[in-house]
Amino acid sequence: KAGVTQTPRYLIKTRGQQVTLSCSPISGHRSVSWYQQTPGQGLQFLFEYFSETQRNKGNFPGRFSGRQFSNSRSEMNVSTLELGDSALYLCASSAGQTTGANVLTFGAGSRLTVL
Amino acid sequence: QKEVEQNSGPLSVPEGAIASLNCTYSDRGSQSFFWYRQYSGKSPELIMFIYSNGDKEDGRFTAQLNKASQYVSLLIRDSQPSDSATYLCAVHHDYKLSFGAGTTVTVRA
Repeated sequence: KAGVTQTPRYLIKTRGQQVTLSCSPISGHRSVSWYQQTPGQGLQFLFEYFSETQRNKGNFPGRFSGRQFSNSRSEMNVSTLELGDSALYLCASSAGQTTGANVLTFGAGSRLTVL
Repeated sequence: QKEVEQNSGPLSVPEGAIASLNCTYSDRGSQSFFWYRQYSGKSPELIMFIYSNGDKEDGRFTAQLNKASQYVSLLIRDSQPSDSATYLCAVHHDYKLSFGAGTTVTVRA
């Protein structure tokens, strides 16, 4: 069973540019969550999508946006990049259940460097 | 107040010893609780989850949950050098998983 696939794995951008990251969840998973990980702030929640609907959003500026497609694949976009956006962006998928334990499985991440 | 707080590390234990990791959370509406392990340069991987008060054992790992005290812990028995990693406590509520800062564990051979 294929895991969570994130592309690209590494990318370098300059300030002011925009970037789009992609995530393909585990087959059958309908929920996709995005996290930003930095040495100083740790893992911070960006947003969660289930069946193309955003169910929750973290405390990030509007430059950070996402969407989910009908096949559950998701993309996140960061516009007008800032140096502080340099981070590992992690996507996680799950069944999206609301009872019991909703287990998230993480992808390998997309490492973004902003110069 | 941070949503999830973990005991500060790093934690160094000799091989074969027990490593004890603690975590507290602030939101009483939290529904399920997770421990992830993250090796340097890798993404987090699930160790175990718990959502009922009490203990849950899985091999060398035991998770404990006390909802009244808003406290979660992880015990690693017979620690091995391969257990050296950062351990992340995570709490699920309202479609969101909130993570603690992590505790770095080093197992000395």
